[in-house]
Amino acid sequence: GENVEQHPSTLSVQEGDSAVIKCTYSDSASNYFPWYKQELGKRPQLIIDIRSNVGEKKDQRIAVTLNKTAKHFSLHITETQPEDSAVYFCAAPRNAGGTSYGKLTFGQGTILTVHP
Amino acid sequence: NAGVTQTPKFRILKIGQSMTLQCAQDMNHNYMYWYRQDPGMGLKLIYYSVGAGITDKGEVPNGYNVSRSTTEDFPLRLELAAPSQTSVYFCASSYGVADGKTQYFGPGTRLLVL
Repeated sequence: GENVEQHPSTLSVQEGDSAVIKCTYSDSASNYFPWYKQELGKRPQLIIDIRSNVGEKKDQRIAVTLNKTAKHFSLHITETQPEDSAVYFCAAPRNAGGTSYGKLTFGQGTILTVHP
Repeated sequence: NAGVTQTPKFRILKIGQSMTLQCAQDMNHNYMYWYRQDPGMGLKLIYYSVGAGITDKGEVPNGYNVSRSTTEDFPLRLELAAPSQTSVYFCASSYGVADGKTQYFGPGTRLLVL
């Protein structure tokens, strides 16, 4: 099955700085990589995703890059704001070699703190 | 649309008690999932369903059971609660017959087993 490692576990930045979170995955057949944001006491919500046929995707201040050869993908947040403070999770499909039925393996999460 | 809803929001159980966590979605999604999130940890898949009448085990199914009699509802049953089942439980749903579909999460149920 898929194994997803996420680093760092905590990240502290000053407002306006950039933040980068990296995930590695084990199954070379994986083809879909979402990122979820979870604010304290709330549900996880999708913020951006990337499919294996592209190397980068941007949405305003957030971007995701994918390196299929090295089997890692990263979340980039530019011009960070205090409201970006949350836990961020990466994920990859389980059983990607066959049909995963949408099942995901999640990383351990990164606690991002943006100081005003 | 209400999206994905879960009840109750919070519950305290004694060891050995049973309960059912309710999950419903009104988006006509065929795929539904149950996750647990332990403090400071990621989400682990308990059970999933690809349609009414079809369920299968995830990564951590022991101590749980599910059923899916309708497209909308996907309840999770705890038969003999144990302290190790103290966690936050999230239900999620997605639509599609292929991978790469957004999962929409419910607000979660916080369970404490004492």
